[in-house]
Order: sequence, then C-alpha cells, then structure tokens
Amino acid sequence: AAGVIQSPRHLIKEKRETATLKCYPIPRHDTVYWYQQGPGQDPQFLISFYEKMQSDKGSIPDRFSAQQFSDYHSELNMSSLELGDSALYFCASSHKGGAREQYFGPGTRLTVT
Amino acid sequence: DQQVKQNSPSLSVQEGRISILNCDYTNSMFDYFLWYKKYPAEGPTFLISISSIKDKNEDGRFTVFLNKSAKHLSLHIVPSQPGDSAVYFCASNTGKLIFGQGTTLQVKP
Repeated sequence: AAGVIQSPRHLIKEKRETATLKCYPIPRHDTVYWYQQGPGQDPQFLISFYEKMQSDKGSIPDRFSAQQFSDYHSELNMSSLELGDSALYFCASSHKGGAREQYFGPGTRLTVT
Repeated sequence: DQQVKQNSPSLSVQEGRISILNCDYTNSMFDYFLWYKKYPAEGPTFLISISSIKDKNEDGRFTVFLNKSAKHLSLHIVPSQPGDSAVYFCASNTGKLIFGQGTTLQVKP
C-alpha cells in the first residue's frame, strides 16, 4: 500500500538559511500534519491542514510557514534557520471522517550547522 | 506540561514472554488513544488504537487496555519477538497527536 512520502530525507543547512520540506500524503487522505522530533524527545505537533486550509496550529515558530496544495501535498518552509531547528520532521496524513489514525512518513532529518 | 506520560524509559523482556508497556494521561476529555512503534531513522508506525467507549482492543499479538477511571492504558505484546525491539509511543488524538515520551523495548533472544 502507498505510504506517506517525504522529501528530502536528509538536509544540511547553515544558520540563517532557508529550507523547504515536502510531504505527499497517502492517496485519498485529505489531512496533513507536521511534527518535529528533537533528539531524545517525543514528536511535537507543529501544524495541520484539511482541504488546503490550516486546521490547527501548535508550537510552530513564526519563522516557519506551511501550506497544502490542490493535490493535497504539503510544504513546510523554514526561514532564518537556527541550530535548535536541527531535528527530525515528520509528516502524517489521515482521512477526515475516517478512522482517527494518523500515518507517518519516514521523516526529514534537518541538520543546521 | 506532559499530558501523556510514559514513566518507564526502557523495558527488557525475554523472547516469547509478555511485554507490557504503560501510559498515563491527565486530561479526562481525551477519548482516543493510539500506540506507535518507532525504529531509529524511521517514522512512527501505527500499531493499534482504542476509543474511550471500549476498555480493550486486540489485534493479533497486540492488545491495548484502557482504564478510564485511572486514566491509564497499557499495551500488551504476546508473545514478544526480537523484531519488536523498538521505541513505543502512546498518543492521544485530540485532532493532533499528543505523544508520551516513549519506552524503549528490548526483546532478548
């Protein structure tokens, strides 16, 4: 079965640079979620989108923005990168109105140097 | 403020025995819980879920028990296999997932 696709899998950036992470949800899933997992921490919710509209917002820095496109894929844009942004970034998808499980992609490992 | 807590950072069991992973939550409004398994450098993999209208859900070797009065849930894995060695997260779904800190399970051959 098709899974959530994330690209790139690894990304190295310098401080103050920008980064764009992409997420392609499972086919027919209409909701996308972004999570950040720091070293030794549990995943923390950043933001979610349903039918291209932001549906919920968590602890996402103002330097970050995200959107969902007409094909339901989502992009997380990160600017003015800081060392503390180094983390695993996971995207998950679900089908609103269906079961309440969220299915995760393999993640993007962002390293800021 | 950790609303979902897994107080045991690690657990070691022998192959073939039962693994019991525990999770507590603080908000009595939470009504849907999930367990995920995570290997290093991979995304969390959904294992099993439970709604607050139930007190037990079973799927193969995995059973989740929910005690609403104690705000406690547990994941039982029987029999445990070496391939089960991973980090296990419990989470509450409030529209977004609120995760516990995770428990590292090691199943020894």
